Amino acid sequence: ELQLVESGGGLVKPGGSLRLSCAASGFTFSGFSMSWVRQAPGKGLEWVSFISGRSTYIYYADSVKGRLTISRDNAENSLFLQMNSLRADDTAVYYCARVLNTGNGMDVWGQGTTVTVSS
Amino acid sequence: QSVLTQPPSVSAAPGQKVTISCSGSSSNIGNNFVSWYQQLPGTAPQLLIYDDYQRPSGIPDRFSGSKSGTSATLGIAGLQTGDEADYYCGTWDTSLSAGVFGGGTKLTVL
Repeated sequence: ELQLVESGGGLVKPGGSLRLSCAASGFTFSGFSMSWVRQAPGKGLEWVSFISGRSTYIYYADSVKGRLTISRDNAENSLFLQMNSLRADDTAVYYCARVLNTGNGMDVWGQGTTVTVSS
Repeated sequence: QSVLTQPPSVSAAPGQKVTISCSGSSSNIGNNFVSWYQQLPGTAPQLLIYDDYQRPSGIPDRFSGSKSGTSATLGIAGLQTGDEADYYCGTWDTSLSAGVFGGGTKLTVL
């Protein structure tokens, strides 16, 4: 069964750090690009970051550039998001998602992990 | 203010058809594939349409996608109460080198 399971969310103070993880199973992880997408409370989806299968290509939304870092460990079938200098507007549910190889689209999503930035 | 523009809400009666528009520009929809997602309350998004009009396995043919120029459209035929959800379009923006989503459209089945 195709599955993505996020972990690592929690409550953190402004300026703090957090590391999110996404464990993949049921498919050849290294063969797919991955993305992080977030959703603030009551708001729409916001694309955060993308990483290609061998980490050759990495992209970020302007809103997180320089503060959030995406990475992956293909040997461990895991995706990560290192979050530094967190701000209140980073508060959201963070989803990891598998990116289709055909062109555009994210076909497998995790259940999400909640990050709350508050003093 | 999202890069892609969707109507905030649409509504229709059970059994009817509804369309949801997604407007962008040449740097995103005009030159990249579009995907559509359904998000039921309290759940993760689900891919409905990819590469403008392709349906993943398991998605009924009541759901359709099309694109013309810098706009894309999601169609949902034979509406059911279970279709009440938020719908999002998404694509890549070449100028931004970033993924982009529409602001989302809430579908109400009256």
